Parts: sequence; C-alpha cells; structure tokens
Amino acid sequence: DAKTTQPNSMESNEEEPVHLPCNHSTISGTDYIHWYRQLPSQGPEYVIHGLTSNVNNRMASLAIAEDRKSSTLILHRATLRDAAVYYCILPRRGIQGAQKLVFGQGTRLTINP
Amino acid sequence: EAGVAQSPRYKIIEKRQSVAFWCNPISGHATLYWYQQILGQGPKLLIQFQNNGVVDDSQLPKDRFSAERLKGVDSTLKIQPAKLEDSAVYLCASSSWGLAVGTDTQYFGPGTRLTVL
Repeated sequence: DAKTTQPNSMESNEEEPVHLPCNHSTISGTDYIHWYRQLPSQGPEYVIHGLTSNVNNRMASLAIAEDRKSSTLILHRATLRDAAVYYCILPRRGIQGAQKLVFGQGTRLTINP
Repeated sequence: EAGVAQSPRYKIIEKRQSVAFWCNPISGHATLYWYQQILGQGPKLLIQFQNNGVVDDSQLPKDRFSAERLKGVDSTLKIQPAKLEDSAVYLCASSSWGLAVGTDTQYFGPGTRLTVL
C-alpha cells in the first residue's frame, strides 16, 4: 500500500496563503488523494480529494504534481479557525473491498494572528 | 442535514470496569466506522460495518472490545474490561457507500473522550 509523508508541523500568519505538502512517491495510478483536517477537540472533517487534475472547493485547493508523487493542499487565505492537524490520505481497499482510511500523524498547522 | 451523533462526550471509569459508547450516523449512510484516537496520534480504524454486517474488524481487540449495529442504523461500541491503555477518544464516522474506493467521503462525529483510571 502506498504511504504518505507530511511535515510534522507548519506555521503561518493569518490572512496569508498556506501550502501544505504531501509526498506519496509510491502512489498507484488508481489511488485518489484525500485531505482531512481535525480541529481541536473535534472529529476529523473532509477537506478535498482528487485523482489527477487540480481541484478547488470552498474550503481549499488541491494541486497534484504531474507525476502524482506529491500534492499540495492550498488554503488561500488562512484564518485562525484553520489551525488544525491536516491529514493527507490515500484511501485503501480493505477487507471485502470496502474503502479504508489510514491516518498518519498529519501536519499540525499553527496560524499566528 | 444532521451530522453524526455520539454519546456520551466524556467518560471516566476505573480499570476493569465496562463502558459503552453510542453512535447515530447520518441518515441513509450504509457504512459506519469506529476509530480509536490516542493522544498525539491519528485515528486508527477499529471496526467497519456495511449496513448491519461487519466488513473489517481486523484491528479490534476482540478479547475486550465488541461492537454491534442492529438494524443497520445506530451502533454501540463496548469495552469490557477496560485497561489503562484504552484511554483515548473514540470516534464514529459514516459514509454513504463504503465500497466506492477513492471517492467516498467519511463524516465524523465529535467523539467520546474516555479516561481509564
């Protein structure tokens, strides 16, 4: 199964863009790239996912490298509320073919006022 | 749309006691997951249900943990007897179709924080 590598922590300033990197050099051609985030004292929440093309939604943008071995989650204008642990995940096919999310340590993002 | 509901939010017990957690998934979601999250780590999948059948319980410590999902809706996770190392946040999640690998989105509840003394 493909693994992801993320920095343990990052820091940014409020109202500035944030680029959160993720390496997945052993990704297969059919692996989707998912991002979830976990705010303090809350359960994880879905942010965005993509396969090959860059993706945008109301929360963030996902930039996927042409060789798909890395991706970057972009928060265009960070707020204090974006301080969270961000997880980059490649969903796996588990037992009986069902989707399985395997969470790593993630990146702890700190936003300075 | 109501989110995933969990109760209780907090529980403190003595070791060797039993405890149960309840989860109500988003209406219509066929797949339900229970995760354990130890402080400082990412969530770890304990068990996955598709409707009321178990799809994956490979990470569930079956000597002390049990889970059921009667009628394919609500679910309970039980620990009996509890150990100190079971102190963690127990998260429930649901998704509409767990078999669509790659495009499926999981929705998480707020979790139950368990402290075992």
